[in-house]
Amino acid sequence: AQSVAQPEDQVNVAEGNPLTVKCTYSVSGNPYLFWYVQYPNRGLQFLLKYITGDNLVKGSYGFEAEFNKSQTSFHLKKPSALVSDSALYFCAVRDDTGGFKTIFGAGTRLFVKA
Amino acid sequence: AAGVIQSPRHLIKEKRETATLKCYPIPRHDTVYWYQQGPGQDPQFLISFYEKMQSDKGSIPDRFSAQQFSDYHSELNMSSLELGDSALYFCASSVRQGRGTEAFFGQGTRLTVV
Repeated sequence: AQSVAQPEDQVNVAEGNPLTVKCTYSVSGNPYLFWYVQYPNRGLQFLLKYITGDNLVKGSYGFEAEFNKSQTSFHLKKPSALVSDSALYFCAVRDDTGGFKTIFGAGTRLFVKA
Repeated sequence: AAGVIQSPRHLIKEKRETATLKCYPIPRHDTVYWYQQGPGQDPQFLISFYEKMQSDKGSIPDRFSAQQFSDYHSELNMSSLELGDSALYFCASSVRQGRGTEAFFGQGTRLTVV
């Protein structure tokens, strides 16, 4: 069965500093990994995905994520955080044996302080 | 660009009433997913449809049913509503071209059961 873990409920970072939001996953087959962001009272917005190929994936708004197969991780990163990045971030996984549903992690709230 | 449309945006119902939520996917998207997000929780997968057929089933209560119509829009029918059904209900759509396609989410319907 698929599962996703986001070990941090909240991440605090100062504006201009690099940020990392952690995600680990467990799947039966090959993983398809996604990051979504959610602003208050809004739907989830797709940021980036890993399907295959380069382990470093670049996405929207300057975000990137690094896929690490040996550590089963897919951490979200940004070199320089903005106050407007403050939101709820969800890691999600789908595998190639478990149908097409996407399973989400519990979410990590990112606070960027000016 | 066209997005996923959900209606209504807000709905207030009394216990034991019924509710119908509607979802209009992005044009040419053939797959629809329904998620339930309780306060402070991650989105929980309910059910999905591909080409008008149920493709995956998650934690959808027996009191709920859903279908996808010939124009690809979907409806989530909820009966015998309970207080615990109060949540944000998201619909998402994608093009089913393998498990690497990301889902695009609507703004959600906030259901309050009183």
